[in-house]
Amino acid sequence: SQQGEEDPQALSIQEGENATMNCSYKTSINNLQWYRQNSGRGLVHLILIRSNEREKHSGRLRVTLDTSKKSSSLLITASRAADTASYFCATDGNAGNMLTFGGGTRLMVKP
Amino acid sequence: GAGVSQSPSNKVTEKGKDVELRCDPISGHTALYWYRQRLGQGLEFLIYFQGNSAPDKSGLPSDRFSAERTGESVSTLTIQRTQQEDSAVYLCASRRVENIQYFGAGTRLSVL
Repeated sequence: SQQGEEDPQALSIQEGENATMNCSYKTSINNLQWYRQNSGRGLVHLILIRSNEREKHSGRLRVTLDTSKKSSSLLITASRAADTASYFCATDGNAGNMLTFGGGTRLMVKP
Repeated sequence: GAGVSQSPSNKVTEKGKDVELRCDPISGHTALYWYRQRLGQGLEFLIYFQGNSAPDKSGLPSDRFSAERTGESVSTLTIQRTQQEDSAVYLCASRRVENIQYFGAGTRLSVL
């Protein structure tokens, strides 16, 4: 079953705008990760935030984590057409190094 | 190799036939995972191998699904008597540290 739920399910923006995606989860976690998927194929790891961290940056990516609300957000600044992809959050709980993936947000960045 | 390799990249089969999907993990990665992804949906965990420990098969949807892994190398996922509902992309991932998973490009299975 999917623990994470992404919001929105789909997002369409213009190049240069910022894109924000949200993820909610249900149980306690060790860390939360964001992955990107192009064209329904393999996922690529973007960023990991640990349960004791509140914010993390990597290039144009900014991730926040609020464990009290069991939610995370992924912000992509100054988006580019090449950012068009599906983005998934994945939670790493206490169940033997499993990752539980959400349903994803499909992002389209129009040039 | 440089990344996780899966083969075949596409497989079309007839209902009732058996299929075997292959995954070559990144060398040195002790953990290997299989996931299923239906069109437009998230990833559904199938099975997890960790070293020589007994695999976690809790995600396998039926007894038609099975997987093997020899040591820390190649894994095969076998689906017997395929059904149309088995049509999906099957993704393999291997893990290094902190459960960051490295994915293959997947096998797109179409059951006619």
